[in-house]
Amino acid sequence: GAGVSQSPSNKVTEKGKDVELRCDPISGHTALYWYRQRLGQGLEFLIYFQGNSAPDKSGLPSDRFSAERTGESVSTLTIQRTQQEDSAVYLCASSWRTSGSKQETQYFGPGTRLLVL
Amino acid sequence: SQQGEEDPQALSIQEGENATMNCSYKTSINNLQWYRQNSGRGLVHLILIRSNEREKHSGRLRVTLDTSKKSSSLLITASRAADTASYFCATAGGRDDKIIFGKGTRLHILP
Repeated sequence: GAGVSQSPSNKVTEKGKDVELRCDPISGHTALYWYRQRLGQGLEFLIYFQGNSAPDKSGLPSDRFSAERTGESVSTLTIQRTQQEDSAVYLCASSWRTSGSKQETQYFGPGTRLLVL
Repeated sequence: SQQGEEDPQALSIQEGENATMNCSYKTSINNLQWYRQNSGRGLVHLILIRSNEREKHSGRLRVTLDTSKKSSSLLITASRAADTASYFCATAGGRDDKIIFGKGTRLHILP
């Protein structure tokens, strides 16, 4: 079956412009995560959606970052007024909860490589 | 915090040797997972071990979990060049069962 997809795969933008990144999770997955990964670094948690609960936005680095999710489907991560330090790979992952409400394996998309000039 | 931390940060070994990576965390968890990442793209799930399990095997992988020490180890036996990658542990727990990743171990297998 189809995995997690992200678009675009690469994005080059000028400083100050807004960008929108898209994530299509695996159908039926209730949980969706966005991460940022700078070159050679670990994963930095950004935001977590779980079903109809209020999203956990505790990882968003500034108010220039926002994310939305429509039900249990597509999510978009928006970065306004991009800065050079926003350059990174943005990864999306989805997972589902078992009947015991426990998180299981995360399935990752291929990421969007963002370069801000 | 709940975040796992891998140790060592980087590891280079000869092909054929065993590679051991460790992960420590700070709060109670429901499960712990190990992932591999090649070339800075998406992560691939390797193995999940639940909090009531102590050891798990998958092919050349062996994972242990010691909840009393809040630590886990990933052993890759008979390493191959293709095992060169970054390896991350991730813990799931807390009130919202959020999954948190560590900073990873960069493994390099020397020919």
